Amino acid sequence: AQSVTQLDSHVSVSEGTPVLLRCNYSSSYSPSLFWYVQHPNKGLQLLLKYTSAATLVKGINGFEAEFKKSETSFHLTKPSAHMSDAAEYFCVVSVRSGGGADGLTFGKGTHLIIQP
Amino acid sequence: KAGVTQTPRYLIKTRGQQVTLSCSPISGHRSVSWYQQTPGQGLQFLFEYFSETQRNKGNFPGRFSGRQFSNSRSEMNVSTLELGDSALYLCASGRDTTVTYNEQFFGPGTRLTVL
Repeated sequence: AQSVTQLDSHVSVSEGTPVLLRCNYSSSYSPSLFWYVQHPNKGLQLLLKYTSAATLVKGINGFEAEFKKSETSFHLTKPSAHMSDAAEYFCVVSVRSGGGADGLTFGKGTHLIIQP
Repeated sequence: KAGVTQTPRYLIKTRGQQVTLSCSPISGHRSVSWYQQTPGQGLQFLFEYFSETQRNKGNFPGRFSGRQFSNSRSEMNVSTLELGDSALYLCASGRDTTVTYNEQFFGPGTRLTVL
């Protein structure tokens, strides 16, 4: 079984400053990892994905994440926050065992607040 | 290319009733998954369908069921509704479940309120 822990339920940063959203995972198999964003009253949008190619993954809107197997982490970063980044962010793990899909396992989410 | 569509967007039911939600995946996608999102439990996996077969199921009671049609469209049904079933139900589609990752694209969701 797999699990995801998002270490902060809320993160508040000032516009123009760096963003760091932390995520740790647990998996019995080689995982695929994702970050999704959900704006209020909207569906989920994929920000980026790790699928065992490069450990540093670049996504949309200037976000990137680094897969660190030794630390079982997949933290999301952005050099400079924008007001439009205010949303709920989900770290997600997917493990494929025996050829079947185990669905996506979501973290509890981190609410990102951008101060003007 | 059109995204994942879900109908209806909003639904109000009373306890004991049943409800059917519909999802149309992105054209060419054969995998459809359903998720429940609540403030208390977060996002939880319900089930996944691929080529009209349920491939995987989350930890939900048998009142929750689904099916997939030959055109990949999917429906989920909840019978004997309970107040705790009030949630945002999200559908997601994926291109191919035989690849090593499971990238999914989400629809806007159906907001179900049980009174």
